[in-house]
Amino acid sequence: EVQLVESGGGLVQPGGSLRLSCAASGFTFSSYEMNWVRQAPGKGLEWVSYISSSGSTIYYADSVKGRFTISRDNAKNSLYLQMNSLRAEDTAVYYCARESPYSSGSLGYWGQGTLVTVSS
Amino acid sequence: SYELTQPPSVSVSPGQTARITCSGDALPKQYAYWYQQKPGQAPVLVIYKDSERPSGIPERFSGSSSGTTVTLTISGVQAEDEADYYCQSADSSGTYKVFGGGTKLTVL
Repeated sequence: EVQLVESGGGLVQPGGSLRLSCAASGFTFSSYEMNWVRQAPGKGLEWVSYISSSGSTIYYADSVKGRFTISRDNAKNSLYLQMNSLRAEDTAVYYCARESPYSSGSLGYWGQGTLVTVSS
Repeated sequence: SYELTQPPSVSVSPGQTARITCSGDALPKQYAYWYQQKPGQAPVLVIYKDSERPSGIPERFSGSSSGTTVTLTISGVQAEDEADYYCQSADSSGTYKVFGGGTKLTVL
């Protein structure tokens, strides 16, 4: 069974940093592209970042470019999101999501999310 | 930046057909995907590549595409289908994923 478990969320002050982790199990992690998607309280879904299976290709949404860094450790079956210079508008539940086996453009498996709150 | 446009809300009675649209300039070139999200839960993929249904998704869920608009159709709506629905696609280059703003489906 595919499992994605996020951790690392919490309360951080504006301008601060946080590192999110996503532990993957139940599939060959190194074979799949991964993404981070966030959802602000009461709002819709926002794609944040993408990383290829090898880690060689990375994309970011304009809203986080230059502040967030996605990475992965295929030996540890883990995905990461380093978030720097955090702003109030970064407050959201952050989901890690695996590309679907049906179509690489879609997100077939999601974790339950970890809440990041940016507030003084 | 590229945007996908969905109606904020759709309401139907049980047993009726619900149609949720999603519009975007790149949709003729890029596939669309649909997700269902219930309160407090992670999204679930219900349609991929415009009109394909993942295994385990009920047959009452279907998708279609016409020009710059894609449509999620739920036939014979049931109370359990009440949820937020999001379309997702990519910009014209295929690089950046984009979500629509979401549509709240209310079953009256």
